[in-house]
Amino acid sequence: GAVVSQHPSWVICKSGTSVKIECRSLDFQATTMFWYRQFPKQSLMLMATSNEGSKATYEQGVEKDKFLINHASLTLSTLTVTSAHPEDSSFYICSATEPSVYEQYFGPGTRLTVT
Amino acid sequence: AQSVSQHNHHVILSEAASLELGCNYSYGGTVNLFWYVQYPGQHLQLLLKYFSGDPLVKGIKGFEAEFIKSKFSFNLRKPSVQWSDTAEYFCAVNAGLTYKYIFGTGTRLKVLA
Repeated sequence: GAVVSQHPSWVICKSGTSVKIECRSLDFQATTMFWYRQFPKQSLMLMATSNEGSKATYEQGVEKDKFLINHASLTLSTLTVTSAHPEDSSFYICSATEPSVYEQYFGPGTRLTVT
Repeated sequence: AQSVSQHNHHVILSEAASLELGCNYSYGGTVNLFWYVQYPGQHLQLLLKYFSGDPLVKGIKGFEAEFIKSKFSFNLRKPSVQWSDTAEYFCAVNAGLTYKYIFGTGTRLKVLA
């Protein structure tokens, strides 16, 4: 149980385009989902927290207009990188939690390369 | 502010050596503690977790960790490492009744065959 999927697993896009990454909880209802960014050989950096049906809460320094997060259902959250640039190239990881279970279940990550 | 420290940034061991990776956190209340492993090019995997009860926790792949409340520590151990344990190890804490994690900076382990 507690499986989280991400799609796509990797994506290459041109500078200036937008990319959408999906995060799904496959066998549970996720009231809270998190989005992280991981640079090579570094730890995970929390970008934002999203709760189903409400606006995401962004961490300090994360541009909310650039990284659009939508958590429209209890099993799906999306991260859209708008007007992507090469510096947005990174590994993006989502996680999800069940109500009253204080453990995050992590997705496999999405590698984004912006050319 | 709450924080998690992993003092060993890089560790190099020979096969069969014993491993201990440090993790210290700063929070005085109830915590849930986790160790994750990330093999090269792969995604995060849960090694073990502590919520309550026996402070010595056994995880997968022969790993264990001990929660010492008085020291605010949750060190990861393995009695005999293998080459396949080469990976990055992350300690994570969520404090109180929150879902949000605070991650340590990670420890890169290299095991020499």
